[in-house]
Amino acid sequence: EPEVTQTPSHQVTQMGQEVILRCVPISNHLYFYWYRQILGQKVEFLVSFYNNEISEKSEIFDDQFSVERPDGSNFTLKIRSTKLEDSAMYFCASSEFGQSLGIQYFGAGTRLSVL
Amino acid sequence: QKEVEQNSGPLSVPEGAIASLNCTYSDRVSQSFFWYRQYSGKSPELIMSIYSNGDKEDGRFTAQLNKASQYVSLLIRDSQPSDSATYLCAVLGEGGGNKLTFGTGTQLKVEL
Repeated sequence: EPEVTQTPSHQVTQMGQEVILRCVPISNHLYFYWYRQILGQKVEFLVSFYNNEISEKSEIFDDQFSVERPDGSNFTLKIRSTKLEDSAMYFCASSEFGQSLGIQYFGAGTRLSVL
Repeated sequence: QKEVEQNSGPLSVPEGAIASLNCTYSDRVSQSFFWYRQYSGKSPELIMSIYSNGDKEDGRFTAQLNKASQYVSLLIRDSQPSDSATYLCAVLGEGGGNKLTFGTGTQLKVEL
């Protein structure tokens, strides 16, 4: 069964360092997303991406965050200068279609620990 | 701020019983609703989607939607210990970005 793949599974970094979280969406999917979940809290939307452009972003997704689809298979989330409060589980998701037809499938996540 | 509300639980039910999970949402224009299951330390896994008022059944799961009351529920029949997880209600935004807004989730414990 096709799945969304995320690497690494766990990333430890020092405050102020840049991190890149990587995702390989399901191959025929056209819509890509990043969500995060701080330990014990709800899953929060960060950004959606379609046709090489950001479709929507949340208030969390400030200038420290960026997304990119560097090639035909990868989708990345970059955090330029990490803060302690960026520590969370980051989930990549993808969907074949948009809107109500677009069931979003989640990857296993990357646990980011900022020290 | 568009909100999705769930009782955090835990909801404890005996094995074989029906578990009933509830969710309310604030955005009246919402049209698409999803239930995800999340095991501890794992990612959300889609259980059901529902778009129209009424019931939708899939195996042991039934989703119910009442747009007038802005209420979504999930019934799990013949609950099994493997159903023990957190159940997340999610509402799709209508802004074109396909944003899912999640509730905090209800923790379900199925006891032997």
